[in-house]
Order: sequence, then structure tokens, then C-alpha cells
Amino acid sequence: NAGVTQTPKFQVLKTGQSMTLQCAQDMNHNSMYWYRQDPGMGLRLIYYSASEGTTDKGEVPNGYNVSRLNKREFSLRLESAAPSQTSVYFCASTVAGIAKNIQYFGAGTRLSVL
Amino acid sequence: GESVGLHLPTLSVQEGDNSIINCAYSNSASDYFIWYKQESGKGPQFIIDIRSNMDKRQGQRVTVLLNKTVKHLSLQIAATQPGDSAVYFCAENNNAGNMLTFGGGTRLMVKP
Repeated sequence: NAGVTQTPKFQVLKTGQSMTLQCAQDMNHNSMYWYRQDPGMGLRLIYYSASEGTTDKGEVPNGYNVSRLNKREFSLRLESAAPSQTSVYFCASTVAGIAKNIQYFGAGTRLSVL
Repeated sequence: GESVGLHLPTLSVQEGDNSIINCAYSNSASDYFIWYKQESGKGPQFIIDIRSNMDKRQGQRVTVLLNKTVKHLSLQIAATQPGDSAVYFCAENNNAGNMLTFGGGTRLMVKP
């Protein structure tokens, strides 16, 4: 099993460009999450999807949108990238609809916005 | 790999010694806690978790201790190895059910 797969691994954007970060899991998990990680800080939740067909805002949702395409896939979109969105983005999934179980993480997408 | 934390607290230990990484959590209503290990350039990797009805849980070479009175969590690593060098994060469930709140992390450096 691949677990949680994120694409791309690296991306450089210019301010104002848009892009979509892709995430897929093959563990038949119900819940999926998008986090960002900045130097000197822990992971901060952007958006999550407790189950297929639902999405909710996390701690830092501004500037992002998400789509739970199906049970396997959860994408994160930046409509108009800003330098403040330079970060490492992690997708995670967990079996249950609440965050009281182990979350499994992908390898991350390293995004630079110039 | 990229730096995951330029100003992280750092714990430096000798290979073979035991390591103790501490974490203070914020919400007295939190009832689930989890430790992750993150190596440079990789995603967080699950180590061990504990629920609030327990005060100690052991895994392979790792032990998590939970002190709800002072809202403190610790991760003990026995016989620390060079492969244990990484950043370690604790996280709590804030009892709202849907989110984990992560701490800022501690960098563990193992000297051979």
C-alpha cells in the first residue's frame, strides 16, 4: 500500500497564479485533512473532510478551497497565490470521522510563492 | 531537506542514553493525545498515542506519560539511536471531535 500520496512534491508559483494540490489515500479512510507547516511552528489545519461529501474549515482556511472528489481524493486549491502561502503542505487521513484516531500523513508538497 | 523549524527547542543526547521529550497541552478537556516523529524532508510519522483514561502507555522502546493534573505529556525513548534524530511533535484532540492541535515540536539530536 502507498498510504497517502501527494502531488506535486515541489512547486514554485508567481504571486496571483493558481494551482491545485492533489492528495489520494488507499487505506479506505473516511476522513482527510490538509495542514500547512511553517518554520518554527507546528502543523496548522487548513480544511478537513470528516467524510465523503463534507468539508469544513480548520484553523487557517483563508485563501484556500478544497474538494473531496471521492472517498480516496481530497484536493487543496489556491486561487490566487500569495507569498504568505509559501509553506510545506501535508495531507493526512484517518479511519474515523473524528480526530481521535491516528492520522497518517503524506510526504508533503513544498510550495514557494514568489 | 528543508528545515521544519528554525528555532525549535533542541534536546541533544548521547547514543544509548534515554531521551525524554516534554509537551505541555492547553485544553483540560482534551482526551486524546498523539506523538509524531518527523525526519527532514518527510511527513510526520505516528509513534504512539494515549487516551485520557490512561496515564501511561508503552510501545517498542517508547513510553508516553500523561499527567492530566498539570496538563503535561512526555515521550520517553529508551536506548536512543542515531535513527531517532528528528523533530517530535505532540498533538491533542480538543474534544470538539474533528481537529488535532499540534505543538511546536522539539528537535532531538543523537550524538554517536
